[in-house]
Amino acid sequence: QSALTQPASVSGSPGQSITISCTGTSSDVGGYNYVSWYQQHPGKAPKVMIYDVSNRPSGVSNRFSGSKSGNTASLTISGLQAEDEADYYCSSYTSSSTWLFGGGTKLTVL
Amino acid sequence: EVQLVESGGGLLQPGGSVRLSCAASGFTFSTYWMHWVRQAPGKGLVWVSRINGDGSDTSYAASVEGRFTTTRDNAKNTLDLQMNSLRAEDTAVYYCVRGGSRSRFDPWGQGILVTVSS
Repeated sequence: QSALTQPASVSGSPGQSITISCTGTSSDVGGYNYVSWYQQHPGKAPKVMIYDVSNRPSGVSNRFSGSKSGNTASLTISGLQAEDEADYYCSSYTSSSTWLFGGGTKLTVL
Repeated sequence: EVQLVESGGGLLQPGGSVRLSCAASGFTFSTYWMHWVRQAPGKGLVWVSRINGDGSDTSYAASVEGRFTTTRDNAKNTLDLQMNSLRAEDTAVYYCVRGGSRSRFDPWGQGILVTVSS
């Protein structure tokens, strides 16, 4: 199975909003509400930001939100802050009872 | 505090074997699925394997099926990954991760580096 498709990079200025897309197929993203998003700073372990498409774990800022339409999921970060600069990965459960990650998106805060 | 601590990595030769371990603490280990996820240097995350709570069911990525085996010891709160027939492309940081819902990987261990090279 191929990785989910994410843009390689996105950027935005402090205070702006950005959206990162994650495109799969009807066998993964489109077939289940089991999409999650992870933030990874350089040299650190990933951290869950969104799970089950749009649920936010306690402690994660409400500036982070998730959604899904068809085979594409999205992560939106509003009110960009310098600390949001990181790599972001989406993940989805699949019909094969396995999981796929996206290729990752590097977010630059200008 | 939930903690996951991996151990056992290092420099291995192609065709060799290694066993990674993950020590879990701060939660009821036997009630959670556990996963291994890897990340090659400078690359993205790749899911490797999953084991259910009592260890009776596992699933693997196609790239490691038949070479890697995931087991757990709920009495010792440990998760293992036996890696055989190692290839250069298995070089990566391997993370031990707790599974929540089918979409929640949380938290992640600090990761352990496995390098396969002659």
